[in-house]
Amino acid sequence: DQQVKQNSPSLSVQEGRISILNCDYTNSMFDYFLWYKKYPAEGPTFLISISSIKDKNEDGRFTVFLNKSAKHLSLHIVPSQPGDSAVYFCAATTNDYKLSFGAGTTVTVRA
Amino acid sequence: DTGVSQNPRHKITKRGQNVTFRCDPISEHNRLYWYRQTLGQGPEFLTYFQNEAQLEKSRLLSDRFSAERPKGSFSTLEIQRTEQGASAMYLCASSSLSENSYEQYFGPGTRLTVT
Repeated sequence: DQQVKQNSPSLSVQEGRISILNCDYTNSMFDYFLWYKKYPAEGPTFLISISSIKDKNEDGRFTVFLNKSAKHLSLHIVPSQPGDSAVYFCAATTNDYKLSFGAGTTVTVRA
Repeated sequence: DTGVSQNPRHKITKRGQNVTFRCDPISEHNRLYWYRQTLGQGPEFLTYFQNEAQLEKSRLLSDRFSAERPKGSFSTLEIQRTEQGASAMYLCASSSLSENSYEQYFGPGTRLTVT
């Protein structure tokens, strides 16, 4: 049962433009959401997170938006850089701490 | 501290053999997690430890899988009588019992291929 879904398997964006990655979830008990970035042959790297009591969290070029009523979150990367080319995973958890991941979105930043 | 480490990075084994993987978490982290990732999917939770206590096991963790964390430091994941369906990337992560304990830090993974 896939509780976290990333419906876009890939995204191609020009360098300097905005990348928007989307994520939907079904479990209303999720109270914390995270984005991870993964390069080939490496483990996922924590990027940014948001608590369910907030609707926005910003860290440098990365902003995560949470819409609880729609059970939807998004990650904005502005401006996109070549080093951002990677697979991005959305994850969610309840207070039991185990993470439920989406299938990932592969981002390619074109020069 | 160089982060979470996992050994070996790659393991090729024949069906029916036993394999064991090791994970060394970030030294001050109390929690340690095991996940499995197959091609085109995100990581799936297998089990987690708080110190040496194994607190939860996923139904994905059949009775051929066993995990330990003696003394609350490193952890091992053993798969007995491997089947081809066990071929996957096995990821270990750790986190601390603190305000931001939801954030888990992952190792590079062990890629298992069962032939």
